[in-house]
Amino acid sequence: DVKVTQSSRYLVKRTGEKVFLECVQDMDHENMFWYRQDPGLGLRLIYFSYDVKMKEKGDIPEGYSVSREKKERFSLILESASTNQTSMYLCASLRSGETQYFGPGTRLLVL
Amino acid sequence: ELKVEQNPLFLSMQEGKNYTIYCNYSTTSDRLYWYRQDPGKSLESLFVLLSNGAVKQEGRLMASLDTKARLSTLHITAAVHDLSATYFCAVAPSGNTPLVFGKGTRLSVIA
Repeated sequence: DVKVTQSSRYLVKRTGEKVFLECVQDMDHENMFWYRQDPGLGLRLIYFSYDVKMKEKGDIPEGYSVSREKKERFSLILESASTNQTSMYLCASLRSGETQYFGPGTRLLVL
Repeated sequence: ELKVEQNPLFLSMQEGKNYTIYCNYSTTSDRLYWYRQDPGKSLESLFVLLSNGAVKQEGRLMASLDTKARLSTLHITAAVHDLSATYFCAVAPSGNTPLVFGKGTRLSVIA
């Protein structure tokens, strides 16, 4: 079974804090993705990566950065958290041509 | 640019009834996915459809793909309360680019 894990299920942070969300997959997938999900807005792609040390901007990259130093790990960084970044964050991984698997999600509240 | 449209976006149906959710997409693709999401949870893969005419069934759910019409359907047979969830379709554009998701169909099965 493919497993995608995320470091936290729930996080509460203060405005201006630097926030790290970690995602790890155990199936040697080359592709990894970060989405956020908000009521009425569906899934929106923040960043994705096709390989180690490689990253591409998605639809809403502003205010976020990512890091992929190892194939199995893809980190999302909020440089200076703001209240409008309160959301559910979903990580996913994919081997090209196969199913995309999602992690359990991190619900982030920025106060 | 690939666009994916689902309808309906909201569906309230009685137990025991049949219904179909539609997923239209705007450009050629060779892979279509259906996911289920329960409230507060992540997305769970239901089906991957890889070719024209593909049909897959799991319990009371059956998905089909018509690549010529750029249409996939998710048919629900004799609905039960446990099927209440949000269902997403997602389409893989050609090449190595991220999936494009529909906005989701929120299904509520009532007695």
